[in-house]
Formats: sequence, C-alpha cells, structure tokens
Amino acid sequence: AQKITQTQPGMFVQEKEAVTLDCTYDTSDPSYGLFWYKQPSSGEMIFLIYQGSYDQQNATEGRYSLNFQKARKSANLVISASQLGDSAMYFCAMREEGSYIPTFGRGTSLIVHP
Amino acid sequence: DSGVTQTPKHLITATGQRVTLRCSPRSGDLSVYWYQQSLDQGLQFLIQYYNGEERAKGNILERFSAQQFPDLHSELNLSSLELGDSALYFCASSPRPQGTAKNIQYFGAGTRLSVL
Repeated sequence: AQKITQTQPGMFVQEKEAVTLDCTYDTSDPSYGLFWYKQPSSGEMIFLIYQGSYDQQNATEGRYSLNFQKARKSANLVISASQLGDSAMYFCAMREEGSYIPTFGRGTSLIVHP
Repeated sequence: DSGVTQTPKHLITATGQRVTLRCSPRSGDLSVYWYQQSLDQGLQFLIQYYNGEERAKGNILERFSAQQFPDLHSELNLSSLELGDSALYFCASSPRPQGTAKNIQYFGAGTRLSVL
C-alpha cells in the first residue's frame, strides 16, 4: 500500500503567487515525521521542512510552511511569494518512529511562470 | 550545501563494467543511506549503514554492494553494469539510524551514472 501520495504530477504558478503542493500519508504509528525535499533540474535533493506528528504548530521555514492536518493525514507544502528559482520537483516523505527508512512520494513538478 | 559529499558527479561507463561511488557524510552523522533515482522507478532505497554496520536493505541488486568504513565514509559498488542501471545515485546521512524527531536525512548532490 502506498504510504505517501502526491496526487499532483505537475503544478503551475505565477511568480509572486502562493502555491500549495498536496501530500497525504498513511500510517497507524502515532509517532512519525514528515519531510519535504526540493529537487531542481541540477539534481540535488534539498531538505526544506520537517513536521513531527506531535508538533502542536505547523512548521515554517522562511517562505515554506507545512499545512499539517493530522486527522486528514495530510501534510501540504505551502510556498509563499513564488520565485522562478522555486521551479523544481518537490518530494514529500514520511518516516515512522522506529523505522530506518523514510517513504518518499513520487513527487510534484512545480513550474513558476514570470 | 548539505555537507554530504559525493564523488564523482558524473560517471560514464560501458555495460559489464564495475564502478565505485563514494560518499562522505555530514560531520557527526553516523548513518548513511544509498538511493537510486531513475525516471520510471522514482526514488528507491538501496541500503543503509550505521557506524559501519548494515542496518537496512531495500531494493538492492545482488550485483550491487556497499560498505561504510571506520572514518564513516561509504562506498557503493556496482558491478556487471547493465543499461538499466543508468540513474542518479544519492547518498544521504543522518545523525542516527532511525527515529523521526530531528533525524533528518541530508542528501548529497548525487552521482549521475550513464551506462552505454
């Protein structure tokens, strides 16, 4: 069963607009962590933001915020004030407590238009 | 810069050959992970080491092997290469082998392998 689902294969956004990238997950473990990574065309995987399942507040890192809805098992990434350099693939991942390996989604391609 | 160093950045070789990919983890990280990313398979976990010992194995072919050395750097050996092995190979490191809180994986820039 797929543990991480990213339903949007591709997204387009106008520069300076906000965009939300969807991620839903499946786990019965009460303790887990959620991660978002960015992969630009150059190939490297860049860690963006982390949310723990017990964190009371949504995580934020600069222009990135994570809209964490635990009951719905969703962990959407919100990018505010999009920039051309935000064009990349974005991967959502989850690691359950006690698990060695996180599970990655298939990714969402984001294109920012000028 | 994630602090994880992978060499070489690009590798072009022929079918049947053997190559070695190298990874130096972030300072202080004891756990190293190897991933393969291809267009059709997405990001596939291969193998994990923690402080020199193998901790988890994923979809790693028998033709592939890895090890982590006492200085914590790791090498991924790919042998009898096939066209389908062409992919981007990532190394990642984290402080601990498992857990969630603040045990974030940081990735290297990857080694792009082309098998001709």
